[in-house]
Amino acid sequence: DGGITQSPKYLFRKEGQNVTLSCEQNLNHDAMYWYRQDPGQGLRLIYYSQIVNDFQKGDIAEGYSVSREKKESFPLTVTSAQKNPTAFYLCASRPTGAKNIQYFGAGTRLSVL
Amino acid sequence: AQSVSQHNHHVILSEAASLELGCNYSYGGTVNLFWYVQYPGQHLQLLLKYFSGDPLVKGIKGFEAEFIKSKFSFNLRKPSVQWSDTAEYFCAGISSNTGKLIFGQGTTLQVKP
Repeated sequence: DGGITQSPKYLFRKEGQNVTLSCEQNLNHDAMYWYRQDPGQGLRLIYYSQIVNDFQKGDIAEGYSVSREKKESFPLTVTSAQKNPTAFYLCASRPTGAKNIQYFGAGTRLSVL
Repeated sequence: AQSVSQHNHHVILSEAASLELGCNYSYGGTVNLFWYVQYPGQHLQLLLKYFSGDPLVKGIKGFEAEFIKSKFSFNLRKPSVQWSDTAEYFCAGISSNTGKLIFGQGTTLQVKP
């Protein structure tokens, strides 16, 4: 099946721990995005990548890091510097020339122990 | 600052009632506007989109939205809601100036059977 796969579905983080959220897509999309969803705040852009080996900070990048070594993969690391990591994280991708339509994964819910 | 705002955060309706969810944007350049829906436990899905042309756009499941440039609005409508329309609805826009997708805060719709 084609699509965007996020794993795990649920993740728990201990104090001072870094955790990595996986996002894989087999849609051959060039651009990928990470959003954070909090109640009453909609989706906020963390990082995005237009092409392999390149990525840009979004609106709330502090405490997060990403890599884009392969077109299919865009993992997000939530570092210990992110003091309020509890949220729902959504990955999205967009094909070139699709007039900015983004397609979303099912999300990962991160909680702090 | 570029922004997308949704007026209603939580809407409760009875089945067969008419729905209108407000959305306003504040940025310049070419405007692309979207409504996404997130059903409980499911992916964020595209409901409808506006790029250009007819300002009244039809989406899936009987939804429509009207782009009114003079009011900077893109309200979502449905003449008669069903219990299965219970979900969270997000308005989003992208400016050709920045290329980033900006989401509104979201509106939770609860339809009572």
